[in-house]
Amino acid sequence: DTEVTQTPKHLVMGMTNKKSLKCEQHMGHRAMYWYKQKAKKPPELMFVYSYEKLSINESVPSRFSPECPNSSLLNLHLHALQPEDSALYLCASSPPRGENYGYTFGSGTRLTVV
Amino acid sequence: AQSVAQPEDQVNVAEGNPLTVKCTYSVSGNPYLFWYVQYPNRGLQFLLKYITGDNLVKGSYGFEAEFNKSQTSFHLKKPSALVSDSALYFCAVRDRSNGQNFVFGPGTRLSVLP
Repeated sequence: DTEVTQTPKHLVMGMTNKKSLKCEQHMGHRAMYWYKQKAKKPPELMFVYSYEKLSINESVPSRFSPECPNSSLLNLHLHALQPEDSALYLCASSPPRGENYGYTFGSGTRLTVV
Repeated sequence: AQSVAQPEDQVNVAEGNPLTVKCTYSVSGNPYLFWYVQYPNRGLQFLLKYITGDNLVKGSYGFEAEFNKSQTSFHLKKPSALVSDSALYFCAVRDRSNGQNFVFGPGTRLSVLP
């Protein structure tokens, strides 16, 4: 299995809703990432998990809450989002400290906040 | 700090002609360099990487890139473009000295015209 699987593919939520994005990989990668991508822009790093521990939080608002329950799963819990949070949310994984490896990206969740 | 520039927002090329998508980078140490492609509403797909060794690297779908240390460039090339190559292309760099994270360029939209 050489894929990163993200669910759901599309999500529409209201500003008072609570929802979660899910990411799963079975490549044995121990580093996992959340990125946010606006249209026609490069991905922006949000969070990095290394060995199931949060190692980087790029000053992301607390309405985004990441969770890494085990080495294969990464969640992003969403609460009280704003319309400007609408974007493509990408999950990626890589071997830890594998600087010469690229990231494997999922296909993303297209989030619309109404 | 590391950075990546892609000087062209848009590149247009006729099908069958050679294509070049430009990338220049800045890092304090030696770089790991990557190219990714993104099709509409999809995640990023790995094309190729430069780690060390031969300056000309070959990747997926007939793409290749040439690492030029003196010009700090890593241009993506293909001898004969296909309409299906039309997509958004991102160059990315990782600095060997500080490990983990990619820095992405702003992206170049490639349009191959039939």
